[in-house]
Amino acid sequence: EAQVTQNPRYLITVTGKKLTVTCSQNMNHEYMSWYRQDPGLGLRQIYYSMNVEVTDKGDVPEGYKVSRKEKRNFPLILESPSPNQTSLYFCASRRRQGGIGYTFGSGTRLTVV
Amino acid sequence: AQSVTQLGSHVSVSEGALVLLRCNYSSSVPPYLFWYVQYPNQGLQLLLKYTSAATLVKGINGFEAEFKKSETSFHLTKPSAHMSDAAEYFCAVSDPANDYKLSFGAGTTVTVRA
Repeated sequence: EAQVTQNPRYLITVTGKKLTVTCSQNMNHEYMSWYRQDPGLGLRQIYYSMNVEVTDKGDVPEGYKVSRKEKRNFPLILESPSPNQTSLYFCASRRRQGGIGYTFGSGTRLTVV
Repeated sequence: AQSVTQLGSHVSVSEGALVLLRCNYSSSVPPYLFWYVQYPNQGLQLLLKYTSAATLVKGINGFEAEFKKSETSFHLTKPSAHMSDAAEYFCAVSDPANDYKLSFGAGTTVTVRA
């Protein structure tokens, strides 16, 4: 089944403890992206990647890191999480062809206490 | 820069009634436009998209949307609401020249009354 897989689905952590949210897609998509969803704000792009080793900042990159060493994987790293990073996170992927919608993962609900 | 405004954060409709969700966009170039649906505890699913072909776009689950350049709008409609349409709906816009970036509206939550 074609899909974007995120892990974990739920995570509670403490301030300052480094964490990684994994994202993997099995559709050979070139583009991958991370979004955070907050009530009343919709989804905001954190980082995106256009291919292996090609990443760039989205609208809200502060406090996050990403890497794209393999085409299928695009992990999101929080080096020192803070409570304002408590949110619902989505990974998404799509082909390079224009006008194609993103395929989204099921989300990771992160709580930083 | 592209942006979208969704009018109304909550919409309540009766089963069988028309569903109308409003989306207005701001873009310096002819945009790509999308509607996504999010069911509880799930990711986003693409409903339909506009990419400069037909201005009336039909999507899944009986939804359609019309691109109106003069009104900078891309409203989503469904003639007859079903209980299964209860969800959150997001309008999104991208610049065709930089379409890796998708900008979302704040979302509209639809409640369907029996």
